[in-house]
Amino acid sequence: EVQLVESGGVVVQPGGSLRLSCAASGFTFDDHAMYWVRQAPGKGLEWVSLISWDGGSTDYVDSVKGRFTISRDNSKNSLYLQMNSLRAEDTAFYYCAKAGSSGYYDYWGQGTLVTVSS
Amino acid sequence: EIVMTQSPATLSVSPGERGTLSCRASQSVSSNLAWYQQKPGQAPRLLIYGASTRATGIPARFSGSGSGTEFTLTISSLKSEDFAVYYCQQYDNWWTFGQGTKVEIK
Repeated sequence: EVQLVESGGVVVQPGGSLRLSCAASGFTFDDHAMYWVRQAPGKGLEWVSLISWDGGSTDYVDSVKGRFTISRDNSKNSLYLQMNSLRAEDTAFYYCAKAGSSGYYDYWGQGTLVTVSS
Repeated sequence: EIVMTQSPATLSVSPGERGTLSCRASQSVSSNLAWYQQKPGQAPRLLIYGASTRATGIPARFSGSGSGTEFTLTISSLKSEDFAVYYCQQYDNWWTFGQGTKVEIK
């Protein structure tokens, strides 16, 4: 059974930093690209970042470029999102998601809530 | 950026009735279109990919159709567990989601 478990969400002040983690199990982690997707409370879904199976290729939505860094450790079946210079508009549930065969997200974690507030 | 527009915003349906949800892309996304279901307090769940292929374990009452810029998700006979928010997503050019359609009990 595929499982994705996010952790690391907390309340942080504007300008602060945070690292989210996603522990994966039930599939061959290093065979798949992975994503971070976020959802502000009561709002819709927004793709945040992508990392290729080997970590060699990454990309970000424009609003987080230069502030967020996605990474992975295939030896630990883990995905990460380093979030710096946090803003109030980054407040959201952050989900990690597994890539399907052609760009859709076939499994999602339960999400972790990041709140940016003073 | 490809903009995805879903309609209606809210669909009121009685259990056992058919529900039809629409999704329009601002430019062609071919068949690179997925549908997700999200219940309150839960993560989204993949229902349909490739515009019309059901994901693993998804009941046959869910069907998807369309290509290019116009897509439809049909729930043939709504059950109580189907009342949720549904999102379409294009993955032809990066990834963007529609704003969601809430399916509520009439």
